[in-house]
Amino acid sequence: QQQVRQSPQSLTVWEGETAILNCSYEDSTFNYFPWYQQFPGEGPALLISIRSVSDKKEDGRFTIFFNKREKKLSLHITDSQPGDSATYFCAARGTQVVGQLTFGRGTRLQVYA
Amino acid sequence: ETAVFQTPNYHVTQVGNEVSFNCKQTLGHDTMYWYKQDSKKLLKIMFSYNNKQLIVNETVPRRFSPQSSDKAHLNLRIKSVEPEDSAVYLCASSYPGTGGSEQYFGPGTRLTVL
Repeated sequence: QQQVRQSPQSLTVWEGETAILNCSYEDSTFNYFPWYQQFPGEGPALLISIRSVSDKKEDGRFTIFFNKREKKLSLHITDSQPGDSATYFCAARGTQVVGQLTFGRGTRLQVYA
Repeated sequence: ETAVFQTPNYHVTQVGNEVSFNCKQTLGHDTMYWYKQDSKKLLKIMFSYNNKQLIVNETVPRRFSPQSSDKAHLNLRIKSVEPEDSAVYLCASSYPGTGGSEQYFGPGTRLTVL
């Protein structure tokens, strides 16, 4: 049973376009959603996160939109740059076990110049 | 800037051997984790440990065990490796007070079992 789903599996955009990465979840106790960015050969790095009490979180070119009713969220990357090419993971934390994150399978983003 | 350190970067071994991977964090965090990332990049929690409590994912085979000397170190031992253990093993730690949500990852150890 996959608790966190991501789509698309891979995404290609041109430099300057907005990339939209989608995430949905099933567990209604999930209340914190971090997004991680992973480059080849490296560990995931925390990019941006949102708590379930908010519907939007912005940090520079990265914005999370959160819809609690539909259990969906999305990561928007505006003015995409070739350096943004990486795999992006949506994760979720609930109240069942402190600290434990459930990860989606990731979206591989390719930005062409 | 890497603050979670893992060694070795790569390890190749034969089925049935024992391996051990090291992890150290210099962030002053109180909780550390081990994740397994498979060939399709799926990340799965294996263990979390904070000096007081070890939480084991029930799907983790018993041949895996965490070993901690202090809160800055959490090593991973695999007693008798199997081919399906080939993966990248990622160590992470979390900041006190965030409920473990802000996790910082090391670069990973890639294990290949022949």
